[in-house]
Amino acid sequence: DTGVSQDPRHKITKRGQNVTFRCDPISEHNRLYWYRQTLGQGPEFLTYFQNEAQLEKSRLLSDRFSAERPKGSFSTLEIQRTEQGDSAMYLCASSGGTEGREKLFFGSGTQLSVL
Amino acid sequence: SQKIEQNSEALNIQEGKTATLTCNYTNYSPAYLQWYRQDPGRGPVFLLLIRENEKEKRKERLKVTFDTTLKQSLFHITASQPADSATYLCALDSDNFNKFYFGSGTKLNVKP
Repeated sequence: DTGVSQDPRHKITKRGQNVTFRCDPISEHNRLYWYRQTLGQGPEFLTYFQNEAQLEKSRLLSDRFSAERPKGSFSTLEIQRTEQGDSAMYLCASSGGTEGREKLFFGSGTQLSVL
Repeated sequence: SQKIEQNSEALNIQEGKTATLTCNYTNYSPAYLQWYRQDPGRGPVFLLLIRENEKEKRKERLKVTFDTTLKQSLFHITASQPADSATYLCALDSDNFNKFYFGSGTKLNVKP
């Protein structure tokens, strides 16, 4: 499978704990996006990387959230001191290569539950 | 700020009929508008893209229209099938494609 992969698929954590999610984009894609989605809502933009540079970050992203994309390949999203309001599906998407920058390819997401 | 509106109520139709979903937006002039399909527990899957200078786009049983004056896109599925049941999201680009804005989606139920 050469699509976007995310790990883990599900994460249950206690409030106050730190969690880290990983995203492996399609290998030829230089653009990588993180989105958050809650039930009944559309994906909400969090951050964007072009290669290894983080070029855009949502104002909704508090300082408890940090994302990296070392070497412009995989990306990680870390949430520190999790809160119940962080419970959501975290989606990663990539674009670029022969498909162009407009078409987003999403992973299956990481479902986070904060107890 | 940009606002994208999709009908939050589920659309229930009979198999074989045409489903029509609406996406309205305000305070924005996108260069592109996209439609995605999302199944429960999965990420969205790209379906169609239409540019601001295009009125209509077709792909198999799918048709998208884009009216930049009305700030509206219509998404049609002809000869609908139960397998078309899913949530359909519209998305607008930002400048430079640094981000995409999504609507909340409309759930389509196609009954056999």
